[in-house]
Amino acid sequence: AQSVTQLGSHVSVSEGALVLLRCNYSSSVPPYLFWYVQYPNQGLQLLLKYTSAATLVKGINGFEAEFKKSETSFHLTKPSAHMSDAAEYFCAVSPSSNTGKLIFGQGTTLQVKP
Amino acid sequence: GAGVSQTPSNKVTEKGKYVELRCDPISGHTALYWYRQSLGQGPEFLIYFQGTGAADDSGLPNDRFFAVRPEGSVSTLKIQRTERGDSAVYLCASSSSFSSYNEQFFGPGTRLTVL
Repeated sequence: AQSVTQLGSHVSVSEGALVLLRCNYSSSVPPYLFWYVQYPNQGLQLLLKYTSAATLVKGINGFEAEFKKSETSFHLTKPSAHMSDAAEYFCAVSPSSNTGKLIFGQGTTLQVKP
Repeated sequence: GAGVSQTPSNKVTEKGKYVELRCDPISGHTALYWYRQSLGQGPEFLIYFQGTGAADDSGLPNDRFFAVRPEGSVSTLKIQRTERGDSAVYLCASSSSFSSYNEQFFGPGTRLTVL
């Protein structure tokens, strides 16, 4: 069965610093990978997705992620953190293209310090 | 336009009671998903509908859980004989089709507390 592991349940960075949130997946076939963000008291919002096109995926709010098959990773990065980036981030995988069913990681809470 | 809405936003019930949670998807979205998010965890898939039929209900934990979508729009998640372990936030999402290429839009969730 496919699964997703997010390393680090809490990440703290200073404003302006690099953001790196780690995600590793297990999949026997090329997966579809997603990053979602959940701001306090709001619903999940899609940041970006990988669907076997370019390995470097750009998303909203300056985030990007790189699919590395050799490392089974899909880490999320942003060059410079803003206070407004403080939220919970979820990595997710979809088993195949003909189902939208998502399998989520446990989430990483990002704290941004002034 | 209107997003996915879920009612109620909070539900407190007693162990053993029956509850219904409602989801109104984005108009025109044919695919609808239910997830459950326990404290400190990521969302866990429960069931999804393509139109009126349940295409995959493999995530429903047991036969106390049931969901319907009779007209291919609004969906109701029904939980019988609630247990304290059912306490969680229940999330609904919709998309224009069931393909992974299509973004799922999530509602704000219903927080269920079973006392």
